[in-house]
Amino acid sequence: GAGVSQSPRYKVTKRGQDVALRCDPISGHVSLYWYRQALGQGPEFLTYFNYEAQQDKSGLPNDRFSAERPEGSISTLTIQRTEQRDSAMYRCASSLSRDREQFFGPGTRLTVL
Amino acid sequence: LAKTTQPISMDSYEGQEVNITCSHNNIATNDYITWYQQFPSQGPRFIIQGYKTKVTNEVASLFIPADRKSSTLSLPRVSLSDTAVYYCLVGDIGGATNKLIFGTGTLLAVQP
Repeated sequence: GAGVSQSPRYKVTKRGQDVALRCDPISGHVSLYWYRQALGQGPEFLTYFNYEAQQDKSGLPNDRFSAERPEGSISTLTIQRTEQRDSAMYRCASSLSRDREQFFGPGTRLTVL
Repeated sequence: LAKTTQPISMDSYEGQEVNITCSHNNIATNDYITWYQQFPSQGPRFIIQGYKTKVTNEVASLFIPADRKSSTLSLPRVSLSDTAVYYCLVGDIGGATNKLIFGTGTLLAVQP
């Protein structure tokens, strides 16, 4: 596809379950970002990959959150032992390089019951 | 990273020019100014970026005064479809990460 894709688009889970959110960036984009967006707020940075290297994870809230991009393309954000406060829209963005504009995906709406 | 301040909301009518001003008093020498647009249920979309003076593209213009402590996004002849949240961001695009720091943005409501 032409844009960034994310799956699933919606995820409802019970507290304590693990979830994995997938991001498929635009082909050839080196940089990949994960953001989290609460209702009425702007996106909040979580982590950044340059190719397969996770170069900045300063925005991950705690050690229940992790991300990987093993082959420098698709990325997975994993949340272990989910809590209700994890409920939010999780957005992925990619760019040709870190100094270029970021293209955002449609997001995954996570609801933790 | 420099903090930005912009109006929470603005109203306009179709066909009017809209100017949204953003304050960034602590902007650093290496910082660029970038604007993103976000429609409901979609991810943010890049509009325009500049360092100083004026930048224009097919969508908008960005005016940056000499002291760079503020910037103004200008949308010519808005339509109903321009109703969205507009974010002003300031940061060093040449930095190690170029992570985007979003505020709460300006909700622009365009009426018929």
